Amino acid sequence: EAGVAQSPRYKIIEKRQSVAFWCNPISGHATLYWYQQILGQGPKLLIQFQNNGVVDDSQLPKDRFSAERLKGVDSTLKIQPAKLEDSAVYLCASSISTGTETQYFGPGTRLLVL
Amino acid sequence: GDSVTQMEGPVTLSEEAFLTINCTYTATGYPSLFWYVQYPGEGLQLLLKATKADDKGSNKGFEATYRKETTSFHLEKGSVQVSDSAVYFCALKSLGNEKLTFGTGTRLTIIP
Repeated sequence: EAGVAQSPRYKIIEKRQSVAFWCNPISGHATLYWYQQILGQGPKLLIQFQNNGVVDDSQLPKDRFSAERLKGVDSTLKIQPAKLEDSAVYLCASSISTGTETQYFGPGTRLLVL
Repeated sequence: GDSVTQMEGPVTLSEEAFLTINCTYTATGYPSLFWYVQYPGEGLQLLLKATKADDKGSNKGFEATYRKETTSFHLEKGSVQVSDSAVYFCALKSLGNEKLTFGTGTRLTIIP
C-alpha cells in the first residue's frame, strides 16, 4: 500500500514570496491533516479536513496560510507571503476517518525562508 | 489546554543498553497516548499506543504503560540496537478531539 506522498521535499524561498505544498493521502483515507514542525519542536496541527470539508483550522494563520482539498483527495497548502518564521517542516498525515486512532504521516516538505 | 512534556535530548547510549524516555502529560479527561518515531529521512511512524489507564502498548521491543495516577507514558526498551537511532515523540489525543498534541521530541543515538 502506498503511503502518504508529499512534494516538493525541499524548498528555499525569500521572504514575501509565495510557496505551495502538495499532499496525496493514502487511498481511501477520508481525513487529512497538515502539521507544522519548527526545528526543535513537536508537530503542531494547522488544519484538518474530513473529505473536502474543514474540521479544524483554529491554528492556521489565515492572513497568510490557506489550504484546500477540493475533490476530497489530494490537498495543497499555500503560504503567501512567507515570513522568516515560517521556516519549518510541513507534514501531511491521513487517517481512514475521524475517530480513528492512527494517523499516517508523509515524509514532509522542508521549507527555508531567507 | 492539552500538553505533553518529554525528556530532553539528545540521548546517547551504547548498544544493548536499557532505554527510558520520560513522558508526562496534561489533558482533560482520559486521552489516548502515543509514541511516534521518526527515522532519518523518513516521516513519523506510529510506534505504539495505549487508549486507557493501565494499558501497555508494545512494538519492536519497546513498551510504554499508561499511568493515570502519575499522568505518564514512559517509553522503555530492554536492549537497544543501532537501528533504534531516531527521534521519538510522545503525543496525546483527547476524547472527542482529533488533534494530536506532541511533545518536543527526543533524539536517540545508539553507538556500537
